[in-house]
Amino acid sequence: DGGITQSPKYLFRKEGQNVTLSCEQNLNHDAMYWYRQDPGQGLRLIYYSQIVNDFQKGDIAEGYSVSREKKESFPLTVTSAQKNPTAFYLCASSKGSSGAGGAYEQYFGPGTRLTVT
Amino acid sequence: QQPVQSPQAVILREGEDAVINCSSSKALYSVHWYRQKHGEAPVFLMILLKGGEQKGHDKISASFNEKKQQSSLYLTASQLSYSGTYFCGTVNMEYGNKLVFGAGTILRVKS
Repeated sequence: DGGITQSPKYLFRKEGQNVTLSCEQNLNHDAMYWYRQDPGQGLRLIYYSQIVNDFQKGDIAEGYSVSREKKESFPLTVTSAQKNPTAFYLCASSKGSSGAGGAYEQYFGPGTRLTVT
Repeated sequence: QQPVQSPQAVILREGEDAVINCSSSKALYSVHWYRQKHGEAPVFLMILLKGGEQKGHDKISASFNEKKQQSSLYLTASQLSYSGTYFCGTVNMEYGNKLVFGAGTILRVKS
């Protein structure tokens, strides 16, 4: 079955440490996205990538970094520069990008809940 | 640029209907609707595109008023499984190729 996997489901880190969240998809989708969700709030875009070796900042990119070396993989690193990293992180993919008039639905992974203390 | 959703929350009994609204201050290319159950990933429900095309589940209905930059999601004969948080996402003509999500509408269906 095709889908998106994120690991781990729960992650605990000490303040000041960088941490990398994994996202893999086998849907053969071109575009991939990272969102952050805080309690009672909507999804905010961190980074997105429309093709391999290319990515753009979203609305809240400060303190985060990404890479897109393979079509299937889009890992997110939460750096120590992120002031308030505790949140639920969702990875998504779509066949095309929203640039195509927003014509493609996004498929989401199960999420990683990051707690930094 | 974030679309505004209303109501913030609604409680229904099984079999009742509900309407969730999504409004933007920008001209839109498309509106997306997703449902998220607690602790889970959002699930795609529907896309409504400028020009009238729609893609989504047969049992879900929605409208898109391009002139008013508004969309509504119609939930009829609600079931317990409809409970969750509903998000609209918009792709607007000024913000380019990013999907921007509203804050969500919490729907609870009681037996």
